[in-house]
Amino acid sequence: KAGVTQTPRYLIKTRGQQVTLSCSPISGHRSVSWYQQTPGQGLQFLFEYFSETQRNKGNFPGRFSGRQFSNSRSEMNVSTLELGDSALYLCASSLGLAGAVETQYFGPGTRLLVL
Amino acid sequence: AQRVTQPEKLLSVFKGAPVELKCNYSYSGSPELFWYVQYSRQRLQLLLRHISRESIKGFTADLNKGETSFHLKKPFAQEEDSAMYYCALFPPTYYDKVIFGPGTSLSVIP
Repeated sequence: KAGVTQTPRYLIKTRGQQVTLSCSPISGHRSVSWYQQTPGQGLQFLFEYFSETQRNKGNFPGRFSGRQFSNSRSEMNVSTLELGDSALYLCASSLGLAGAVETQYFGPGTRLLVL
Repeated sequence: AQRVTQPEKLLSVFKGAPVELKCNYSYSGSPELFWYVQYSRQRLQLLLRHISRESIKGFTADLNKGETSFHLKKPFAQEEDSAMYYCALFPPTYYDKVIFGPGTSLSVIP
């Protein structure tokens, strides 16, 4: 099976712009979670989607949003970019909702640099 | 406050020596605890979870609810164990969020 894929892998934007990141889960997986990874804050949970519905959300401002399509692919959008949004954005997929039983498989990440 | 702490940012051990990566958590409930590992230039991947009580690559971890700890141990470290290790807490309900610790970089010296 192909693993989790994320596009683009690298992105450079300027402050005030918006960005959309894409995640394709492993075939058959219905849950997609997004994380932000920075040297200062580490790995922080953004949100989880399951069957096109947001099931859980981390403590991020409303500028961070996402959606999931019927084929389980997910997109994450960040509007009005700030310098502090520079990070590695990781996507993870699992068969069911992430938890004790379900294993999350991570993608390679999208590295976003905001200038 | 709900949090996961890993007191050691960096840990160096000699090959063949025992290794213990510490993880402490704070959560008002019964969470599920996991260890994730990221080898150089590879993706983050699950190492083990407390619910399965398994040993993966020689690593074990015991959940101590009294001390709220989930330390990762291996009796004899190998060079290939050098990696970044993250302890993660998954809440029992879907109303709380997943929390990852800051990570410990393990370096095994040959």
